[in-house]
Amino acid sequence: QVQLVQSGAEVKKPGSSVKVSCKASGGTFISYSISWVRQAPGQGLEWVGRVIPILGIAKYEQRFQGRVTITADKSTSTAYMELSSLRSEDTAVYYCARVNDILNGALDYWGQGTLVSVSS
Amino acid sequence: DIVLTQSPGTLSLSPGESATLSCRASDSITSSYLAWYQVRPGRAPRLLIYGASRRATGIPDRFSGSGSGTDFTLTISRLEPEDFAEYYCRLYGGSLGTFGQGTKLQIK
Repeated sequence: QVQLVQSGAEVKKPGSSVKVSCKASGGTFISYSISWVRQAPGQGLEWVGRVIPILGIAKYEQRFQGRVTITADKSTSTAYMELSSLRSEDTAVYYCARVNDILNGALDYWGQGTLVSVSS
Repeated sequence: DIVLTQSPGTLSLSPGESATLSCRASDSITSSYLAWYQVRPGRAPRLLIYGASRRATGIPDRFSGSGSGTDFTLTISRLEPEDFAEYYCRLYGGSLGTFGQGTKLQIK
């Protein structure tokens, strides 16, 4: 079955960067896009962006433009999300999720989440 | 950009009752791209409904989605203890992926 396994929790200083990985198994990695979604403490879900592995093209939510880079490595079936210039408001659980275009773009499989804590 | 507004913000009900959650779009949308997700504390989100009314694999028939245009509804009948969670609608289209702000379903 499809599994998305994310890297472990991170503690970062303000102004630094973090890179979270998401390794896919059990499916055809290049056949799907991968989205990244975050949830800050006490807040709702927020879409960050997505990558199309077969094309290497990424799209980002406007508010993250210039700070986020989402990539995919087809050889290892792994997607990455790098967020720079971190601030305390970026403290959140970050999830990767598979975009299933057969289900009209719904996110049908999710990683377990990675907690990123930003604190001085 | 289209904004999704969910209501109510919090819904207090008892097990066995039915819940009706609303998701309203700021402009008419293609229902095909409207999905609902459940988030339980400490767990990854779970896809419930896609295409506004189609249940995802493994989702009980107590969950149903409906709506078109700007108004969409998630109905949960015969509430079970595990259904008390947060629920989000999401629009997928083009390069974007807007979520509503969520509805918290709590035990009364």
